[in-house]
Amino acid sequence: DTEVTQTPKHLVMGMTNKKSLKCEQHMGHRAMYWYKQKAKKPPELMFVYSYEKLSINESVPSRFSPECPNSSLLNLHLHALQPEDSALYLCASSQEQRDYGYTFGSGTRLTVV
Amino acid sequence: AQRVTQPEKLLSVFKGAPVELKCNYSYSGSPELFWYVQYSRQRLQLLLRHISRESIKGFTADLNKGETSFHLKKPFAQEEDSAMYYCALRDSGYALNFGKGTSLLVTP
Repeated sequence: DTEVTQTPKHLVMGMTNKKSLKCEQHMGHRAMYWYKQKAKKPPELMFVYSYEKLSINESVPSRFSPECPNSSLLNLHLHALQPEDSALYLCASSQEQRDYGYTFGSGTRLTVV
Repeated sequence: AQRVTQPEKLLSVFKGAPVELKCNYSYSGSPELFWYVQYSRQRLQLLLRHISRESIKGFTADLNKGETSFHLKKPFAQEEDSAMYYCALRDSGYALNFGKGTSLLVTP
């Protein structure tokens, strides 16, 4: 298995809802990431997990809450989002060794109404 | 602070013409540089790593530390090369930071 799988592919949620995005990989990668990508913009790093511990939080608002239950899974819990949070949310994983690239999932297209 | 600059937002070439997508970087350490490609409605894919010095889909990229560049080149562009291309730099904390991207359009 050489893929990063994200579910759901599409999500529409209200500003008072609570939802979760899920990401899974079985490549043995010990680093996992959440990115946010707006239309026609590059991906922006949100969180980095290394060996299931949060190592980087790029000043993301607390309405986004990441969780890494084990080395294969990464979740992003969403609560009280704003319409401007609508975007493509990408999960990625990588080896920790130098010079390895990331493997990206196909993303969850989130719309906040 | 690290930075990746892709000066061209859009690059349009004719099929069969050479193409060069520019990428410059600033980084105090030894850089890890990558090119990623995003075809329409597809996921972001790793195209090249600077360390591997390989050719993928006819594309090559050479790290020039003197000019702090990592330009992506292909001698003969094909229509299927039309996509968004991102240059990216990975720092010591494993964060991969992207340039703003160059949209390549190859016309017949």
